Amino acid sequence: GQQVMQIPQYQHVQEGEDFTTYCNSSTTLSNIQWYKQRPGGHPVFLIQLVKSGEVKKQKRLTFQFGEAKKNSSLHITATQTTDVGTYFCAGRTLQGGSEKLVFGKGTKLTVNP
Amino acid sequence: EAQVTQNPRYLITVTGKKLTVTCSQNMNHEYMSWYRQDPGLGLRQIYYSMNVEVTDKGDVPEGYKVSRKEKRNFPLILESPSPNQTSLYFCASSPDRRSNQPQHFGDGTRLSIL
Repeated sequence: GQQVMQIPQYQHVQEGEDFTTYCNSSTTLSNIQWYKQRPGGHPVFLIQLVKSGEVKKQKRLTFQFGEAKKNSSLHITATQTTDVGTYFCAGRTLQGGSEKLVFGKGTKLTVNP
Repeated sequence: EAQVTQNPRYLITVTGKKLTVTCSQNMNHEYMSWYRQDPGLGLRQIYYSMNVEVTDKGDVPEGYKVSRKEKRNFPLILESPSPNQTSLYFCASSPDRRSNQPQHFGDGTRLSIL
């Protein structure tokens, strides 16, 4: 079935360094959502991108949706220890006549203070 | 407070003993779903429901049942649990089936099947 590939699986950074996670789909997505899951917590919705080439910012977080609507990225500038967690992308696509939300496997970010 | 509530939060049980994980949302959401989360595999959808009395299989439905008799509740039933169903389970809801709605997740249920 439809897959959304997310890389890297793990990323360890020093506090203050930047971090980026990437998602790629083999098919065009209707939109893409990003979620953050803190250790021991549940996924929490961060943002949704809908338009081709869309870029949205939330403080130190920058989200991009590719021109072909097949890939997306989340970039964190100057990471802080509060950024620790697993970041998931979730792409919405048509499968068998109905829309499905397919999650990437996530990128686990650890930050060394 | 708007929330998705799952119970129990933790459960250790034995193979073959039927169990139910409850999920309730107070946001009048039409769409509800169940996911399991396993290391290295991310979130995989088990079942979903687009409205009352409407349920459908997700990517990994084998060994699970669900029901949606009321809008607010969406229980997950394991009729005969097996060790490979040991996992972290999340219930989620969203306002409706349209594509531009975020998912609201419950706090999770950690199941251990011995």
